Order: sequence, then C-alpha cells, then structure tokens
Amino acid sequence: GQSLEQPSEVTAVEGAIVQINCTYQTSGFYGLSWYQQHDGGAPTFLSYNGLDGLEETGRFSSFLSRSDSYGYLLLQELQMKDSASYFCAVKRAGSYQLTFGKGTKLSVIP
Amino acid sequence: EPEVTQTPSHQVTQMGQEVILRCVPISNHLYFYWYRQILGQKVEFLVSFYNNEISEKSEIFDDQFSVERPDGSNFTLKIRSTKLEDSAMYFCASSSEGGRGTEAFFGQGTRLTVV
Repeated sequence: GQSLEQPSEVTAVEGAIVQINCTYQTSGFYGLSWYQQHDGGAPTFLSYNGLDGLEETGRFSSFLSRSDSYGYLLLQELQMKDSASYFCAVKRAGSYQLTFGKGTKLSVIP
Repeated sequence: EPEVTQTPSHQVTQMGQEVILRCVPISNHLYFYWYRQILGQKVEFLVSFYNNEISEKSEIFDDQFSVERPDGSNFTLKIRSTKLEDSAMYFCASSSEGGRGTEAFFGQGTRLTVV
C-alpha cells in the first residue's frame, strides 16, 4: 500500500518562511509533486522532485530525499495569498495516477 | 494560458439518477484523468485515459462509472446510478506526458450533490 504523512495545519507570519514536510511509504516510488489548493479551487501544480535535492521556483522550493522517503515544500517571503492547502503527491513507476496526501492547511497571519 | 474547463460547475441530482460530467482538456495534451475530493478530504484518483482507452483505474472506479472521449475534444465521466456517497467535487485533469512527473493541469471542478 501507500501512505503519505503531512501536518494537518501550519500557521506562519506574513514575510516569514515556512516548511511543510511530507513523508511517504510507497513501493515503486518515482517522484514527489506538490500542489496548492485554495478553498473551493482546483489543485495547482507547484513543484516536482524526481531526484534527490532541491528544486527552486521563485518563492517556492521543494526538496526530496529518496533514501529517507521524505520531502518538503519551502515557502519564502510568505504573502497572505499563500493561505491555502498544500498537498504532496506521489507518483509510482509505471503508474499514471497521483496519490495525494491529506493536505496541510497553511494560514498566513499579519 | 491554456486551461482545463469543466461543466457544469455544480450539479444536484437525485439518488439513482445518471449524471454526466464534462471536461475539455488542454488541446495538445494526451493523458486525461478524473479525480474526486469529498469535502474536507484528500484528492483521490479515479481513472486515467490515454489513446482512447482506460490506462489505469482505482478501486473507487467501479461498474457505476464510465469515461468517454466522444468527439476528440470532450472527456466525460458518467455515473450511472448515483449514490449519496458520490457527493464530492470531481476534478478533470490533463497532462502532456503520463509516465513522468510532469505537471497535471486540473480544471475548476464540478461539485456533485446527490440528494
């Protein structure tokens, strides 16, 4: 089977940095993606890691350690509009589907 | 910017009725997906579709569900006899590649309410 664990809620101050962790147990692991979802909205792709290391896209970075079955999403210079749910999602080799975690609700406060 | 469009945005149906949810994927994408999200829960995979056939489906996607690409642009999800527990947000997604970790673009979803 598969399992993904991420914190259910995180609160951070505007302008600060926040890290959202994701641990997974997946056979045939291929890569880890991160999606953002605002209330009532669609999941929006943020980042993907297929190899160990850091991927940077503007204020967002994502990290993967395959040996530790662990990844994180780093959001810098937080803005109020970053308040949303963030999902890690695993892709397995030879599979088309994404398996999502339960999501982390990020609240950015002034 | 290209986007996945879904119609309707909200559908209310009586238990036992058939519903068809419609999606127009991004035009040059080859892989299509349906996911659902029960209120407050995680996004769950239903089915993927490539080259006019189902490439993968989950346990949720039982005989009540079917997908079609009737005309080369639309991609539909049919639920034959809806149940109360089918109430959820249904997302269509598409991607240019299926087997790699490339970006899947999601539509805004159809909120299905079964009463």
